[in-house]
Amino acid sequence: DSGVTQTPKHLITATGQRVTLRCSPRSGDLSVYWYQQSLDQGLQFLIQYYNGEERAKGNILERFSAQQFPDLHSELNLSSLELGDSALYFCASSVTDSSYGYTFGSGTRLTVV
Amino acid sequence: AQKITQTQPGMFVQEKEAVTLDCTYDTSDQSYGLFWYKQPSSGEMIFLIYQGSYDEQNATEGRYSLNFQKARKSANLVISASQLGDSAMYFCAMREAGTASKLTFGTGTRLQVTL
Repeated sequence: DSGVTQTPKHLITATGQRVTLRCSPRSGDLSVYWYQQSLDQGLQFLIQYYNGEERAKGNILERFSAQQFPDLHSELNLSSLELGDSALYFCASSVTDSSYGYTFGSGTRLTVV
Repeated sequence: AQKITQTQPGMFVQEKEAVTLDCTYDTSDQSYGLFWYKQPSSGEMIFLIYQGSYDEQNATEGRYSLNFQKARKSANLVISASQLGDSAMYFCAMREAGTASKLTFGTGTRLQVTL
């Protein structure tokens, strides 16, 4: 157990639907990162939050949004889902926003049918 | 923009042999960090080793070592005494200094350890 908890582990949903992925960072970590791993795009950075504030944005679609709550857990919301959104979504956490100590969760595998 | 290149899509190595996985990077920053992660078939991302750009010695962690050649912008992972459990995808990643401390990943190398 890495200390970063992601739920659910697997999710199957239909096109056009909306889902929420949840991440609880390792205890004491203030920074949360979301990554998408797909077969054609590899591992892509989506967004980073630090202590509740958005810190950096990567290749995140407008249909996707995220937030970090006061208890530091984070949620990634994916809406109007398309087949191409099928991927493994990782959350990672670190103590600061410039630490080298990233810890990854086990990921949420999203399948859009 | 930072870029990580892993030119070996797949590698085979015999058990107990050493193997080198290649990684080159491109950055204009003087301060950056280089990482290697292992992703077994179960999917999780496992941190293996870290090298800072100002570290004078190559990083080592058990059977893993990082052959860091700054002038050539390469950060190759060396796995000694390969084990069957080393069979996995291996990703090289980089973090540049600055306000956005995201990791940029390479495309990965699939390592298969054989008997």
